[in-house]
Amino acid sequence: GESVGLHLPTLSVQEGDNSIINCAYSNSASDYFIWYKQESGKGPQFIIDIRSNMDKRQGQRVTVLLNKTVKHLSLQIAATQPGDSAVYFCAEIVTGFQKLVFGTGTRLLVSP
Amino acid sequence: GAVVSQHPSRVICKSGTSVKIECRSLDFQATTMFWYRQFPKQSLMLMATSNEGSKATYEQGVEKDKFLINHASLTLSTLTVTSAHPEDSSFYICSARDGQGINSYEQYFGPGTRLTVT
Repeated sequence: GESVGLHLPTLSVQEGDNSIINCAYSNSASDYFIWYKQESGKGPQFIIDIRSNMDKRQGQRVTVLLNKTVKHLSLQIAATQPGDSAVYFCAEIVTGFQKLVFGTGTRLLVSP
Repeated sequence: GAVVSQHPSRVICKSGTSVKIECRSLDFQATTMFWYRQFPKQSLMLMATSNEGSKATYEQGVEKDKFLINHASLTLSTLTVTSAHPEDSSFYICSARDGQGINSYEQYFGPGTRLTVT
């Protein structure tokens, strides 16, 4: 369903740590998932995607894990850097429908 | 990569006036464009989906007579906020889908427009 958050959960990490951001999605029929990064005052930026027929996908410093059994998605960021500080959103889409449904979002704060 | 622009980036208007926001796909043809609204510390909420040459499809609770959407070409969609009120103050973001792309689900997002109604 649609996500309406009153506040953003925050994850604070030290530079160099690995970060794990979690997302619970809503629709068991969703078959495509995307992670976006949004910096303050900017539009969302594509990070990585995964289809429902996969349970893991790796990119540069990022890994997305998908657990369809519990409708859970996670984004792992290796060696987190201050430039990774932003709000991260997961989004889901159902084949045959066009629209993305965004999760609540998590604010990642990376301190040097 | 695919680039989507929005204009203006920021706009301040008086209550009761109308404001037009443009969304352009710069290097691809966008068969479908989406308009989102984002309030502070909240997620993106889809307002409407527009397909080139046809009427927009609005999400439940979004007033189509207040938020006018025009998608007259494959590279341009406009959102007009009519008779704006302070509660319409928000961050408006568009996205565009490249119907010819390999991954036809991917949406490319614009940088957003900050609307402040005084």
